[in-house]
Amino acid sequence: DIQMTQSPSSLSASVGDRVTITCRASQSISSYLNWYQQKPGKAPKLLIYAASSLQSGVPSRFSGSGSGTDFTLTISSLQPEDFATYYCQQSYSTLAFTFGPGTKVDIK
Amino acid sequence: QLQLQESGSGLVKPSQTLSLTCAVSGGSISSGGYSWSWIRQPPGKGLEWIGYIYHSGSTYYNPSLKSRVTISVDRSKNQFSLKLSSVTAADTAVYYCAREVVVVVAATRWFDPWGQGTLVTVSS
Repeated sequence: DIQMTQSPSSLSASVGDRVTITCRASQSISSYLNWYQQKPGKAPKLLIYAASSLQSGVPSRFSGSGSGTDFTLTISSLQPEDFATYYCQQSYSTLAFTFGPGTKVDIK
Repeated sequence: QLQLQESGSGLVKPSQTLSLTCAVSGGSISSGGYSWSWIRQPPGKGLEWIGYIYHSGSTYYNPSLKSRVTISVDRSKNQFSLKLSSVTAADTAVYYCAREVVVVVAATRWFDPWGQGTLVTVSS
C-alpha cells in the first residue's frame, strides 16, 4: 500500500492567517492527490482534486500544489468556517486508495 | 444535485454480518464515468477506503478487508450495498457511501459527493 503522512497533525491559527498543510506519499503518485475538509459530525467534502484543481463551489482561498511525493494545501486567509480537519487522499493506486491521518486546524 | 443516503442496522453483534445500503437520488447509478464506494471512519480516527463497484458490477476491495467484504449494486432501486462479515469491535465506525468520479483520459479520480454517514457499533 501507498502510505500517506501529513504534517502538522494539528495547528492553531487565527482568522486571516495563511495556513499550509503538507502531505507526503511513500512513493511517487504523480498528481493523483485529493484534499478533503471534514467538520465535526459531518461527511468529508472535496476541496481539491488532481493535486491543484479547485472543486466547483470551493472558495478560491484554497489552493493545492505538488507532484510526485510532496504536496501542499494552502488556505490564503483563514476564515471562521475553515476550522476543520483536512485529509489528503491518493488515487494513484486504484486497488488500494489511502488517506492521510488528517490535520486539525483550530482557533488560536 | 446528486445525493446519497446510507441506511442499515446501527448495532451488530460480534461475528455477525454488517449490512448497509446507499440510496442514490438526483442521478442514475448506471451513469458512465463513476464508481460507487464505501469508506469508514472509526470514532475519533481517520478514513479507510473499503471498496467500490462500477455500474457494470465489477468490484474492487481494500486488500486488508477483501476476505470479508461484498459490495453489490441494485440498478432497479438505484442503490448499492455493503456487507462485512465476521465483524469485531474494530469494525465500529461511521460508514460513508460516496460517488467516485473517474476521469479516464486523465487517469484521475476523486470522491464526491459523500453521504452523511451512519454509525455502526459492534457490540454484544
